Amino acid sequence: EDQVTQSPEALRLQEGESSSLNCSYTVSGLRGLFWYRQDPGKGPEFLFTLYSAGEEKEKERLKATLTKKESFLHITAPKPEDSATYLCAVPNDYKLSFGAGTTVTVRA
Amino acid sequence: KAGVTQTPRYLIKTRGQQVTLSCSPISGHRSVSWYQQTPGQGLQFLFEYFSETQRNKGNFPGRFSGRQFSNSRSEMNVSTLELGDSALYLCASSYGNNEQFFGPGTRLTVL
Repeated sequence: EDQVTQSPEALRLQEGESSSLNCSYTVSGLRGLFWYRQDPGKGPEFLFTLYSAGEEKEKERLKATLTKKESFLHITAPKPEDSATYLCAVPNDYKLSFGAGTTVTVRA
Repeated sequence: KAGVTQTPRYLIKTRGQQVTLSCSPISGHRSVSWYQQTPGQGLQFLFEYFSETQRNKGNFPGRFSGRQFSNSRSEMNVSTLELGDSALYLCASSYGNNEQFFGPGTRLTVL
């Protein structure tokens, strides 16, 4: 059974205070790892796909990295609009297994 | 390109009723997946369809069912609603490379 664990559960940041979110996984034969952003009451918004250890992807203030056992989402100099729940997921058998998410709150 | 659309966006039902939710995938996407999201359980996989065939099903009771039409649109049905079925139901579509794109969801409240 695939397992995806995210930490911390919640993160409160001051505007401009950089931090990292962790996603650890146990899956046989990784076929990618996905990061999503979800705002309250909305569907998850696709951010990144990572396929192999050492791979990095960037989008604005977000950078995702992947190792053989975990992925990190780095938020550099966050702004209040970066406040959201960030989810990671791994695919297997035509489904995504999600972590519980990290809720990020950025204060101005 | 238009995104994934789901209708209705909000539903209020009473226990024992049944409900049908609809999903239109991104044009060209042939895979449609359904997920249930609750505060306690997070995002849980319900089922996935590709070319009208169910390829995988999550660990939900038989009251939850779905289908996909030849135009890739999908519906899911929940019969004999229970209070615990209150949730955000999310549909996602994929071209086939595992990257799934989600719709806005249908918020179901069971009273």
